[in-house]
Amino acid sequence: QVQLVESGGDVVQPGRSLRLSCAASGFSFSAYPIHWVRQAPGKGLEWLGVISKDGGKTYYADSVKGRFTISRDNSKNTLFVQMNSLRAEDTAVYYCARGIWSGTGDYFDYWGQGTLVTVFS
Amino acid sequence: IPMTQSPATLSVSPGERATLSCRASQSISSDLAWYQQKPGQAPRLLIYGAYTRAAGVPGRFSGSGSGTEFTLTISGLQSEDFAVYYCQQYNKWPPYTFGQGTKLEIK
Repeated sequence: QVQLVESGGDVVQPGRSLRLSCAASGFSFSAYPIHWVRQAPGKGLEWLGVISKDGGKTYYADSVKGRFTISRDNSKNTLFVQMNSLRAEDTAVYYCARGIWSGTGDYFDYWGQGTLVTVFS
Repeated sequence: IPMTQSPATLSVSPGERATLSCRASQSISSDLAWYQQKPGQAPRLLIYGAYTRAAGVPGRFSGSGSGTEFTLTISGLQSEDFAVYYCQQYNKWPPYTFGQGTKLEIK
């Protein structure tokens, strides 16, 4: 069955860096774009970015552009997000989600369970 | 494209019907998905293409609308349906955008 498992969440100080991982199984990882979505405590869902199937293209939300970098290793069925210059407002549960191309954009059919990042001084 | 959901909270009795709304600030054709999220869980895809149920989603969930106005209807509410529901547009991106959510609570 399709599984996405995030890891790497931690408590970090503002200005520090953190790298999250998303391990995929149960499907052909290299055939799908994968997204990162986050949810601040008690808040709604915020899309952060996406990486194409082959890793050649990435797109980001303005809130993280220039600070976050999404990458993937298709040989290891793993997605990453490198998060630099972390801020208190980056505190959230971070989800990876599989994208399904509709012809115009992606909707997300499988999500990981999330990993919590807390930015706290 | 900003997405607006209403109401923020909806109180409905089990067995009744719930109607949740989602509005796009500009036309998104039928490029809309609905997700259900229960406390402590990841979101779950319910509907895509505005009205197509995802695999395994019960028939009591139905979606409608196109352009800027969309509706998620849940008929014969069951206890497991009380959750937060989000809409998401995928017509114009980046960014992909979600509504702020509607909390469906037991009346």
